[in-house]
Amino acid sequence: EVQLVESGGGLVQPGGSLRLSCSASGFTFSTYAMHWVRQAPGKGLEYVSGISSNGGSTYYADSVKGRFTISRDNSKNTLYLQMSSLRAEDTAVYYCVKHSSGRYVAPYYFDYWGQGTLVTVSS
Amino acid sequence: QTVVTQEPSLTVSPGGTVTLTCASNTGAVTSGYYPNWFQQKPGQAPRSLIYSASNKHSWTPARFSGSLLGGKAALTLSGVQPEDEAEYYCLLYYGGAWVFGGGTKLTVL
Repeated sequence: EVQLVESGGGLVQPGGSLRLSCSASGFTFSTYAMHWVRQAPGKGLEYVSGISSNGGSTYYADSVKGRFTISRDNSKNTLYLQMSSLRAEDTAVYYCVKHSSGRYVAPYYFDYWGQGTLVTVSS
Repeated sequence: QTVVTQEPSLTVSPGGTVTLTCASNTGAVTSGYYPNWFQQKPGQAPRSLIYSASNKHSWTPARFSGSLLGGKAALTLSGVQPEDEAEYYCLLYYGGAWVFGGGTKLTVL
């Protein structure tokens, strides 16, 4: 059974940093691309970032480019999102999502989602 | 600025049929946008339903179907059940970038 468990969320001040983790199990983690998707309170889904299976290729939404860094440790079956220069508008539940292939592009697709971790940016 | 538009809300009666749509401000949605659809119930994580416009995941109930309709991606629910009340999101691919629609709140009443 595929399981994705996010952690690392919490309260952080504006301008601060936080690192999210996503622990994966139930599949060969090193074979699949992964994504981060976020959802602000009461709002819709927003694509944040994607990374290829070997970590060699990454993508960022304009809203986080230059502030967030996605990475992975295939030896630990773990995906990360390092967030810095955080703003109030980064407040959201952050979901880890598995892709169906090693590249985060189409025609491959999103399949499994974690339960999310809440990040609150406030003074 | 790429914008993906969905109906903000729709209401359907139990047992009825409803179609949700997903449009792009760049023009007609074609198979090359590889539309995905997701369902999210209150307090839960999203769940993947449809990919590449019309393909179902192994867990997707048969009453859900995806298509391309009139220049938009479409999700049709036939024989709607009370448990289908949820928010539905589409996701389109723009040659390297993935963009979500704003979501449709489906009420079963």
